[in-house]
Formats: sequence, C-alpha cells, structure tokens
Amino acid sequence: KAGVTQTPRYLIKTRGQQVTLSCSPISGHRSVSWYQQTPGQGLQFLFEYFSETQRNKGNFPGRFSGRQFSNSRSEMNVSTLELGDSALYLCASSPTSGTGVAKNIQYFGAGTRLSVL
Amino acid sequence: DQQVKQNSPSLSVQEGRISILNCDYTNSMFDYFLWYKKYPAEGPTFLISISSIKDKNEDGRFTVFLNKSAKHLSLHIVPSQPGDSAVYFCAAREYGNKLVFGAGTILRVKS
Repeated sequence: KAGVTQTPRYLIKTRGQQVTLSCSPISGHRSVSWYQQTPGQGLQFLFEYFSETQRNKGNFPGRFSGRQFSNSRSEMNVSTLELGDSALYLCASSPTSGTGVAKNIQYFGAGTRLSVL
Repeated sequence: DQQVKQNSPSLSVQEGRISILNCDYTNSMFDYFLWYKKYPAEGPTFLISISSIKDKNEDGRFTVFLNKSAKHLSLHIVPSQPGDSAVYFCAAREYGNKLVFGAGTILRVKS
C-alpha cells in the first residue's frame, strides 16, 4: 500500500508570494491533517480535513488555508509569505476522524520543506 | 504555552542498554498519547501509543508508561540498537485527530 505522498519536496519562495502544497493520503484514508515543524519546535497542528470539511483548526493566521477534494487529496495554501513561514510542512492521513486509538494513528508523509527568502 | 514538553533535547546511550525518553504534559483532557520516531528527510513514523485509562503498554522492545497523577509519560527501549538513533516525539490527542507534539528528543545509540 502506497504511503502518504507530499509534493513538492522542496520549495523556495520570496516574501509576499503565495504557495500551494499537495498531499495524497493513503488509499482509503479520509482524514488529512497538516502540521508545521520549525527548528526547536515540535509539530504544530494547522488543520484537519475529513470528507472535504475542515474539522479542526490550530492557532495559525488566516493566511494559512486548506481544502480537501472528493478523492481525499488535500492542498494547503499560504498567502503573503513571511520569513517565519520557512518550515517543514507535514501532512498526515488516518482512516477516520472517529475515536479509538487504531483509528487515530496518523501516518505522515516525508514533508515539503519551504524556504522563504 | 507548551502543553507537551520533552525537557531533554538529546540522549546518548550505549548499544544494548536501556533508553528512557520522558515527556510531561499539562492538559488533563488528553485521552491518548503516542510516540513517533523521525529519521532525517523522512516523516515521523508511529511507534507505540497508550490510552489515558492504562498505565503501561508494551510492543516488543518498546514500552510506554503513563503516570496520570504526575502527568508524565515515558518510553523505554530495551535493548537499544544503533538503528534506534533518531528524533523521538511525544504526542497527545486533544480532540478529533488533533495531536499536540513535544519538541522532540534526539536519541543517539552508540555501538
């Protein structure tokens, strides 16, 4: 079974630009979550999508947005990029958004490393 | 405000010995705790988890202990192997699929 696929792997942008990152979940998984990892910080939760609806949202500004398509693939968009947005962006998928530890195991992609110059 | 803290940025252990990674949390509403391992240039991979209603869970060389009264979680790896060298993240489930992660501990197992 193919894992979580994130594209592109690396991205370089300049301040003020916008960027779109893509995530293809494991086949059959309906929940996709996005996290930001910066040096010295753990993973910070951005948002979760389930069945094309945003279920949860972290404490990030409105410049960070996302969406999910009917095939469960998800995109994350960051507008008006700032230097502080340089980070590793990780996508994770899980079978469902329900309860129970088996269903709550999130499987991560390798991430997209975004550098903002 | 960090709800999940891993106070040791790094840990070095001899091959064959026990590795103990620690994690503290503040939110008593967390109902599941997980450990992930991360190698460079790869995404985190799930290791082991524990429900808040249990105090111990074992899976092969990995055991997770939960002390709810102290709000403390630990991961024991016995015996440690060089391939275990990685960054270990402690995570807690807040609600839905939202996980709150610690900053990570770099484990180095020396052969």
